[in-house]
Amino acid sequence: GNSVTQMEGPVTLSEEAFLTINCTYTATGYPSLFWYVQYPGEGLQLLLKATKADDKGSNKGFEATYRKETTSFHLEKGSVQVSDSAVYFCALSDRDDYKLSFGAGTTVTVRA
Amino acid sequence: DAGITQSPRHKVTETGTPVTLRCHQTENHRYMYWYRQDPGHGLRLIHYSYGVKDTDKGEVSDGYSVSRSKTEDFLLTLESATSSQTSVYFCAISRDRVGPDTQYFGPGTRLTVL
Repeated sequence: GNSVTQMEGPVTLSEEAFLTINCTYTATGYPSLFWYVQYPGEGLQLLLKATKADDKGSNKGFEATYRKETTSFHLEKGSVQVSDSAVYFCALSDRDDYKLSFGAGTTVTVRA
Repeated sequence: DAGITQSPRHKVTETGTPVTLRCHQTENHRYMYWYRQDPGHGLRLIHYSYGVKDTDKGEVSDGYSVSRSKTEDFLLTLESATSSQTSVYFCAISRDRVGPDTQYFGPGTRLTVL
């Protein structure tokens, strides 16, 4: 079956620091990969996605590259802000599937 | 933002009582989903729908039922609530199969079962 493993948090950073959140996956097919973000008290929002190997998803300064050889989709941002404090979820879906499989989430806190 | 609303947004109930949560969309998307979010588990799929009156179970469906009589509404029912069903419930929608497509999430319902 499909599964997603994320690095455990919480992660605490200072403003302008570099952020990386590791995500690896196991899938039976050829999945699409997603990063969702959940700000305090809100629902999940799509941050970025990639649908094939070597694709790079990017949004709001965040990037993630679909690495089929290492089954990974690590999220990175070069200079975080306090407003980036949130829970980040890695997720995948097979092409013919109805379902998303989520990682456990990583809580990121950015201090001024 | 996708037009998804959930009601109620907060609910406190007692063990053994029935509870119905509603998800309403204005996007005319075919697929709708119910997830629960618990610490350390991410989001787990409860049930999903791939059309009016077409539903199927997710990975944590025990104790839950769903109905979809109209494209825009997807109801989640806890027939007899238990404390283990205390959670935050999210509805999501997608236009197509989620493989290449994106799921959009509602604001969530926080349910507490005492």
